[in-house]
Amino acid sequence: QSVLTQPPSVSAAPGQKVTISCSGSSSNIGNNYVSWYQQLPGTAPKLLIYDNNKRPSGIPDRFSGSKSGTSATLGITGLQTGDEADYYCGTWDSSLSDLWVFGGGTKLTVL
Amino acid sequence: QITLKESGPTLVKPTQTLTLTCTFSGFSLSTSGVGVGWIRQPPGKALEWLALIYWNDDKRYSPSLKSRLTITKDTSKNQVVLTMTNMDPVDTATYYCAHTQFGWYFDYWGQGTLVTVSS
Repeated sequence: QSVLTQPPSVSAAPGQKVTISCSGSSSNIGNNYVSWYQQLPGTAPKLLIYDNNKRPSGIPDRFSGSKSGTSATLGITGLQTGDEADYYCGTWDSSLSDLWVFGGGTKLTVL
Repeated sequence: QITLKESGPTLVKPTQTLTLTCTFSGFSLSTSGVGVGWIRQPPGKALEWLALIYWNDDKRYSPSLKSRLTITKDTSKNQVVLTMTNMDPVDTATYYCAHTQFGWYFDYWGQGTLVTVSS
């Protein structure tokens, strides 16, 4: 069971918008930057968002990130079939000892 | 261009020790702020962070696996090595290494290597 809670799955039609939530606590999201990763089937994870809301070079602005309190959200607009993937949030947790934590992952289906 | 690649055995027996090597290029582990982490993913399951080593040899381990893990670096060879003792079938997973700046996020990942634990 992950320290960060994500919905197991979300779905939307092509062209629509979807959001994926990541819920944590003051020991992780509340006091640290959040990053998001996209994992296409059979491939390694890829950094999508870092420092809560920044996009690495090459990531389209259809992808956005935000954070409020102890929760973070990934938004994807103009959905494409190629966006079908698993999405993970991640951050540091300093509750008992420093450790990096990932959410349980969210499977995005583009209907 | 930053690249990382994991190497090691694809099959280990229960109770054996696993040794994985991450060979990288495009950055130096002697540069301030740079780190390399290990993350694994059991088949069909979520990512799990294992360990992280920084340019200054500072090391961090997952508390649940700390007693079984050792992470080291060889700056001259551009390699990071992870050892995990007392392997069990539940440790069957794809193991990834990844580059990080100050540990805030993992921006470059290796392709991963599948390790199966079975007798």
